[in-house]
Amino acid sequence: SYVLTQPPSVSVAPGQTARMTCGENNIGSKSVQWYQQKPGQAPVLVIYYDNDRPSGIPERFSGSKSGNTATLTISKIEAGDAADYYCQVWDSSTDQHVIFGGGTKLTVL
Amino acid sequence: EVQLVESGGGLVQPGGSLRLSCSASGFSFSSYAMSWVRQAPGKGLEWVSSLSGGGIRTFYADSVKGRFTISRDNSKNTLSLQMNSLRANDTAVYYCAKHDSSSYYYVVDFWGPGTLVTVSS
Repeated sequence: SYVLTQPPSVSVAPGQTARMTCGENNIGSKSVQWYQQKPGQAPVLVIYYDNDRPSGIPERFSGSKSGNTATLTISKIEAGDAADYYCQVWDSSTDQHVIFGGGTKLTVL
Repeated sequence: EVQLVESGGGLVQPGGSLRLSCSASGFSFSSYAMSWVRQAPGKGLEWVSSLSGGGIRTFYADSVKGRFTISRDNSKNTLSLQMNSLRANDTAVYYCAKHDSSSYYYVVDFWGPGTLVTVSS
């Protein structure tokens, strides 16, 4: 089965850069999306098709992929970036269909 | 402005049934695939079910297959999830989710605020 592996937590000081990873052996052949979820709120799409940004998402958010790992990078971290971040792919070849990673909790120190 | 509003959540006993609805507005509803995604208390996101824009193709997670049925009424801009034989581990916030395509499920570009389903005796 297809499992996306994310570190449970990442901590970063304000103004620094946060990098959150999403790993799977075949992720290179998949389109990766990233969602931000703040406490008590619905998720919000922040990166789609590996490295595209929806309108309204700051340029500080970027996505990349290399080998078996996709990465969400947030530069110039602000207190308001504190949230859970989930990666996601669509696996059309299996019944699992839409697959989410376990999520990474970003803490701004 | 895209809006998705879920309704129908609540408290139900194990083995019971519940029907969730999602009212959509601000976009051409029939042109987009839709999904239900749930989140158990304190846990991550879990995909539940998807339906193509035309309502022909359906997909279910193994955890709900045979118990849940997804459907849509494009004339009323409404997505539904019929949940039968509910279990305690179905307790979660259920989100209505819009994809960016009629028949591809790469991206969820908009989410509703969610409705809480609690399965407990």
